[in-house]
Amino acid sequence: GENVEQHPSTLSVQEGDSAVIKCTYSDSASNYFPWYKQELGKRPQLIIDIRSNVGEKKDQRIAVTLNKTAKHFSLHITETQPEDSAVYFCAAMSGGGADGLTFGKGTHLIIQP
Amino acid sequence: DAGVIQSPRHEVTEMGQEVTLRCKPISGHNSLFWYRQTMMRGLELLIYFNNNVPIDDSGMPEDRFSAKMPNASFSTLKIQPSEPRDSAVYFCASILTVNTGELFFGEGSRLTVL
Repeated sequence: GENVEQHPSTLSVQEGDSAVIKCTYSDSASNYFPWYKQELGKRPQLIIDIRSNVGEKKDQRIAVTLNKTAKHFSLHITETQPEDSAVYFCAAMSGGGADGLTFGKGTHLIIQP
Repeated sequence: DAGVIQSPRHEVTEMGQEVTLRCKPISGHNSLFWYRQTMMRGLELLIYFNNNVPIDDSGMPEDRFSAKMPNASFSTLKIQPSEPRDSAVYFCASILTVNTGELFFGEGSRLTVL
């Protein structure tokens, strides 16, 4: 099955700076890579996703890049704000979806004022 | 739509008791997932259903765990007998079809086994 590794486990950045979270996956058949944000005590919610036929996608302050050859993808948050503080999970869907979504272990992003 | 609905939101029980967690997916969604979240192991996929049929239950920890989906609008996750190491937040999630994109999570059921 798919295996997703996520780094770092904790990331502290100054408000206004950029944050980058990186993930690698193992199954070359994976073709869908979403990112979820989970605030304390709440459910994970999708913030951005990318499919394997695209190398980069942007939505305002967040962007995701995908390198299929290297099997890694990254989340970039620019001009970080206090409300960006949360746990972020990357995920990969493999086997045409037959194996469901496999999540990374999460990154706790802390925005320092 | 009210989203994915889970119950109970919180459950405290004693070791050895049976626990049943319930989930109502978003109407029209064909795939349903059960995840377990702990600090140590993150979000683990336990089992998922496609059109009410269990597709992959390789994540179910052991025989004490079982899941059913008798119809398109209801699923249960049962733990019998429960153990303290089962303490976690259990999330149910649904998706329109397994290749279409966003997985919608319920609010989770926080289980504490004493």
